Amino acid sequence: QKEVEQNSGPLSVPEGAIASLNCTYSDRGSQSFFWYRQYSGKSPELIMSIYSNGDKEDGRFTAQLNKASQYVSLLIRDSQPSDSATYLCAVNSEGGGNKLTFGTGTQLKVEL
Amino acid sequence: SAVISQKPSRDICQRGTSLTIQCQVDSQVTMMFWYRQQPGQSLTLIATANQGSEATYESGFVIDKFPISRPNLTFSTLTVSNMSPEDSSIYLCSVEVTSNTEAFFGQGTRLTVV
Repeated sequence: QKEVEQNSGPLSVPEGAIASLNCTYSDRGSQSFFWYRQYSGKSPELIMSIYSNGDKEDGRFTAQLNKASQYVSLLIRDSQPSDSATYLCAVNSEGGGNKLTFGTGTQLKVEL
Repeated sequence: SAVISQKPSRDICQRGTSLTIQCQVDSQVTMMFWYRQQPGQSLTLIATANQGSEATYESGFVIDKFPISRPNLTFSTLTVSNMSPEDSSIYLCSVEVTSNTEAFFGQGTRLTVV
């Protein structure tokens, strides 16, 4: 069974700090990795995709992928109260029929 | 990306009835999917909507309960049949413009069965 694991949180960080969100996955054949942000009552919004080992930066967001350790993370720099949401990790693998498997999500709270 | 219109945005339905949810995309897309998100939980894939053929259902989901249509590359429907309170959930349409790329979501349909 393909699994994606996340700490459910809540993860609380002060405004301006770096928030670090982590995700592990079980399928070594996984090829594509995504982070979605979901505000309460809203649908998931794609914020980052990463396909190869290393870091990928987009504004205040950095995604990090380590396929050997089967680990993907999301760093949010200069966290703002508007970043408070649930962050979903999603993994796409050929072994999974090219379908996305979602983690349970980490709730992030950015406090003033 | 793609602009996805999903409707209705919410509905309250009587048990035993059926509801059809529509998903319209502003451009042709390769893949369309239907997800369910139960309260406080993550997303569970119901099925992949295949253009011109029967949908591919995930374990635990069957065509009689969740019939899906996809007549073309921009439109799909999901019907929740013979509803019970356990079907109360958010149903989400998702698309990939090309296979194995980013997936985008519609606004979701919040369904309450009473």
